[in-house]
Amino acid sequence: RKEVEQDPGPFNVPEGATVAFNCTYSNSASQSFFWYRQDCRKEPKLLMSVYSSGNEDGRFTAQLNRASQYISLLIRDSKLSDSATYLCVPGGGGSQGNLIFGKGTKLSVKP
Amino acid sequence: DTEVTQTPKHLVMGMTNKKSLKCEQHMGHRAMYWYKQKAKKPPELMFVYSYEKLSINESVPSRFSPECPNSSLLNLHLHALQPEDSALYLCASSKTGREAFFGQGTRLTVV
Repeated sequence: RKEVEQDPGPFNVPEGATVAFNCTYSNSASQSFFWYRQDCRKEPKLLMSVYSSGNEDGRFTAQLNRASQYISLLIRDSKLSDSATYLCVPGGGGSQGNLIFGKGTKLSVKP
Repeated sequence: DTEVTQTPKHLVMGMTNKKSLKCEQHMGHRAMYWYKQKAKKPPELMFVYSYEKLSINESVPSRFSPECPNSSLLNLHLHALQPEDSALYLCASSKTGREAFFGQGTRLTVV
């Protein structure tokens, strides 16, 4: 099983739609989880951190299921500016903190 | 301030050259990372430094040599690179086990 697996993309959705991405991870020792967004030819930018069962920030909600080892990201009321690649990153177990990225899911929001 | 500064932003080097990429952060983060990113792929972890000591080397060829002179600086020394090493090189830093913040990257072209 790969360390991090994400939904295959691309997701093409209309403005205003709700879209959800899933991410599964293999390292059961992971204590923290991060979602990043990356625009074309730019660096990844932190979108959301999850340290317990979930987190919500405006239109974005992340939910963690430790038993099944997956984390989801829900985007409500999609905007054109949400078009980007969304990358899932489970934090490494222990103190070393190796951050391994999933392959990412490309989202394209259309007018 | 969540700034990680990388220099240079762009670099073109020949296969016989020696060059260095530099990364600086003043957030007091004790974990620093080098990633390599090819087009349409996720960032790929190369090295992790924890408290100025190399803690993870993801089987990176020896033509890439990392250095962490102090808690704020991270260098990546390049020597005898190949054209396939052309990529975006990203530096990141974090508190141990926490979210990482990325620099804008150095776009490297090996000719």
